[in-house]
Amino acid sequence: ETGVTQSPTHLIKTRGQQVTLRCSSQSGHNTVSWYQQALGQGPQFIFQYYREEENGRGNFPPRFSGLQFPNYSSELNVNALELDDSALYLCASSSDRGAETQYFGPGTRLLVL
Amino acid sequence: LAKTTQPISMDSYEGQEVNITCSHNNIATNDYITWYQQFPSQGPRFIIQGYKTKVTNEVASLFIPADRKSSTLSLPRVSLSDTAVYYCLVGARGGNTDKLIFGTGTRLQVFP
Repeated sequence: ETGVTQSPTHLIKTRGQQVTLRCSSQSGHNTVSWYQQALGQGPQFIFQYYREEENGRGNFPPRFSGLQFPNYSSELNVNALELDDSALYLCASSSDRGAETQYFGPGTRLLVL
Repeated sequence: LAKTTQPISMDSYEGQEVNITCSHNNIATNDYITWYQQFPSQGPRFIIQGYKTKVTNEVASLFIPADRKSSTLSLPRVSLSDTAVYYCLVGARGGNTDKLIFGTGTRLQVFP
């Protein structure tokens, strides 16, 4: 059984640029959630996708957008990067929506300069 | 929005039992309680989930009183490798995402 994978592992961007982060869900899972984790803080929920549809969104601006593909992998896109977007971005997959048990990937460390 | 409250930090020594309590006063009927463990620069890892009374697996136990307004994660005989941040999450499985709130967690430090 393949676990959750994320790419890239690290990324450096400059303010104003756009970034796409990718996540492959665990085999058999149809739900993907994305989180932003700043240093010393808990993960902050960005949004969740269930069977290619958005199932909920946290308090993040529209420049954070996402997509889920038919194979249930997912992308997180962030436009017009700001310095405060520097964080660890976590993807989690689960077998159902909401607060079903989530299995996290290793994360993508984004640094915005 | 649902909110959980946990101690910010706890210290323990190797071999001791550690109990971390989470308060969730506005837990709903359909909500489950899930605990995650996170090491630095890694994604959180599922530890245990429960709905009521007691749940035990190979790494931890979860105690939930009858009113379900709190829960206690119990780690038996901790080791140095249990030093991590522990998060309590309360929400409905198969439902909406309103309660996907991790909070700041409890930072457990285990000393030799």
